[in-house]
Amino acid sequence: GAGVSQSPSNKVTEKGKDVELRCDPISGHTALYWYRQSLGQGLEFLIYFQGNSAPDKSGLPSDRFSAERTGGSVSTLTIQRTQQEDSAVYLCASSFQPGRGYEQYFGPGTRLTVT
Amino acid sequence: AQSVTQLDSHVSVSEGTPVLLRCNYSSSYSPSLFWYVQHPNKGLQLLLKYTSAATLVKGINGFEAEFKKSETSFHLTKPSAHMSDAAEYFCVVSDRNNNDMRFGAGTRLTVKP
Repeated sequence: GAGVSQSPSNKVTEKGKDVELRCDPISGHTALYWYRQSLGQGLEFLIYFQGNSAPDKSGLPSDRFSAERTGGSVSTLTIQRTQQEDSAVYLCASSFQPGRGYEQYFGPGTRLTVT
Repeated sequence: AQSVTQLDSHVSVSEGTPVLLRCNYSSSYSPSLFWYVQHPNKGLQLLLKYTSAATLVKGINGFEAEFKKSETSFHLTKPSAHMSDAAEYFCVVSDRNNNDMRFGAGTRLTVKP
């Protein structure tokens, strides 16, 4: 079946502009995660959604970052007033249930370049 | 909160020799542990996972990992490296009382011919 999809695959933007990154999780997966992977670095947790519960935003690096998940499915990560340090690959993952024992399925990522 | 330490940022082996990628974890409760692989310009793929069943876990592509609670370790091994194993490997811990998974910084495996 279809995996996690993300769009766009690549995004180049000017410093100070806003960007929106989209994630379509696997159908039926209740948990959705956003991560950031900077060049040569590991994955940095950003935000987590589970069903209709309030999201865990503990990983968002600043108030310029926000995310929403509509209808328990598609999610959008928004970065306002982008900075050069925001350049990274943004990965989305979903899982059938959160946490213990359930693997996360990752999308291909969106490569964001801020010039 | 849980955390993961991957002890080597880069490991280089010759083709046909054993692979050892080290991972230590910290968790307040019984953890679930995972190894993911990321090939260049590819997405993350699950290699194997431990969820409190057998402590020796076998995964895809001949990899396996052993959960050692006394050592808080979950090292990844393979008896004989193949060129196609060259990739970035991430150790991940999930705590049953938390809903997120914590990734290690990654280990880049290079396989020399």
